[in-house]
Amino acid sequence: QVQLQQWGAGLLKPSETLSLTCTVYGGSFSGYYWTWIRQPPGKGLEWIGEINHSGSTNYNPSLKSRVTISLDTSKKQFSLKLSSVTAADTAVYYCVRGYGSGSYYHVWGLGTLVTVSS
Amino acid sequence: DIQMTQSPSTLSASVGDRVTITCRASQSISSWLAWYQQKPGKAPKLLIQKASSLESGVPSRFSGSGSGTEFTLTISSLQPDDFASYYCQQYKSYSITFGGGTKVEIK
Repeated sequence: QVQLQQWGAGLLKPSETLSLTCTVYGGSFSGYYWTWIRQPPGKGLEWIGEINHSGSTNYNPSLKSRVTISLDTSKKQFSLKLSSVTAADTAVYYCVRGYGSGSYYHVWGLGTLVTVSS
Repeated sequence: DIQMTQSPSTLSASVGDRVTITCRASQSISSWLAWYQQKPGKAPKLLIQKASSLESGVPSRFSGSGSGTEFTLTISSLQPDDFASYYCQQYKSYSITFGGGTKVEIK
């Protein structure tokens, strides 16, 4: 059974760079799109972007200038970097597995709360 | 981006009630729609994909319908475990978007 384990810094100051990593356990790394989705406290879900096993990426246009998603296939890991964070980036960040580019999501990490505060 | 609008935002219901949640897309998404259930402090759980295909293990009291721009999620007989938030998600465009959510509360 596939599991996603994620980690990263939970408290950032404004203008810093958010960095999260997700490791895939128990399943294939290829053939899927590895995705980041976030949820501000008490609010809805926002898709951040995705990457496939060959490194092809797609990003949310509203975040594209600040987002980088990368992967390390040897470690079965993918990572998110979001630069120049503000309080508006405070959210629970989920790593997620999708079947293809722009898909539905049936495997989710537990989520990491990232708080941006001075 | 394709905008997804859910209604109502909050719904109060009793155990045994039939519950319907609506999701509207700003343009046609064919049947490229998924529904999720989310409980407090947990990740969303996929219930339905391709508008009406129930995921394995999801109780049959959940059903989805619709195509084009209007979709519904129906819970035929609300159970105590169903009090949660529900989200729709379109995946016609690779720039994925979600509805704003519907919280199903105990009446």
